[in-house]
Amino acid sequence: DAGVTQSPTHLIKTRGQQVTLRCSPKSGHDTVSWYQQALGQGPQFIFQYYEEEERQRGNFPDRFSGHQFPNYSSELNVNALLLGDSALYLCASSLGLAGGPVETQYFGPGTRLLVL
Amino acid sequence: QKEVEQDPGPLSVPEGAIVSLNCTYSNSAFQYFMWYRQYSRKGPELLMYTYSSGNKEDGRFTAQVDKSSKYISLFIRDSQPSDSATYLCAMATSGYSTLTFGKGTMLLVSP
Repeated sequence: DAGVTQSPTHLIKTRGQQVTLRCSPKSGHDTVSWYQQALGQGPQFIFQYYEEEERQRGNFPDRFSGHQFPNYSSELNVNALLLGDSALYLCASSLGLAGGPVETQYFGPGTRLLVL
Repeated sequence: QKEVEQDPGPLSVPEGAIVSLNCTYSNSAFQYFMWYRQYSRKGPELLMYTYSSGNKEDGRFTAQVDKSSKYISLFIRDSQPSDSATYLCAMATSGYSTLTFGKGTMLLVSP
């Protein structure tokens, strides 16, 4: 079992550009949540996808958008990048509506984004 | 005031010491309390999970929740250099809700 996988592992972009991050959930999981972890901070919830729809959203601007595909994999898109978007972006997968019991959320290794 | 407060450390201890990590919170609706371990350049890994108040023990790890004081703790006995990592507390209002994390405490266990 590969667990949660994310790509790419690292990314460097410049201000104003757009970026797409990808996540494949753990086998058997159907719900994907995205978190942003700035340096020295805990992860902050961005949004969650289930059945190809955004089910919950944290306090992030519309520049952050996502998508879930029929195979449950997911993408996180960020437009008009700002320096403050530099962070580790984590994907967590789980089973069931609204993310399943919290103890079954599995995190991927993250994508480290640097905005210059 | 942040919903979850956690001292970022770093906390340095010698091998074999008992480590105490703590978080306070302000949202009385939190019912589920988790501790995650995060090694450098890795995703968080669930260590302990507790529902409501009380204690839970798993090997060298003990999690305590005091809802009356809005205070949770993680104790690590006989700490090992391999325990060196950032420890994140996380909370949720229900078993199916999203997680609210603390900043994380960096722990360094020296041989």
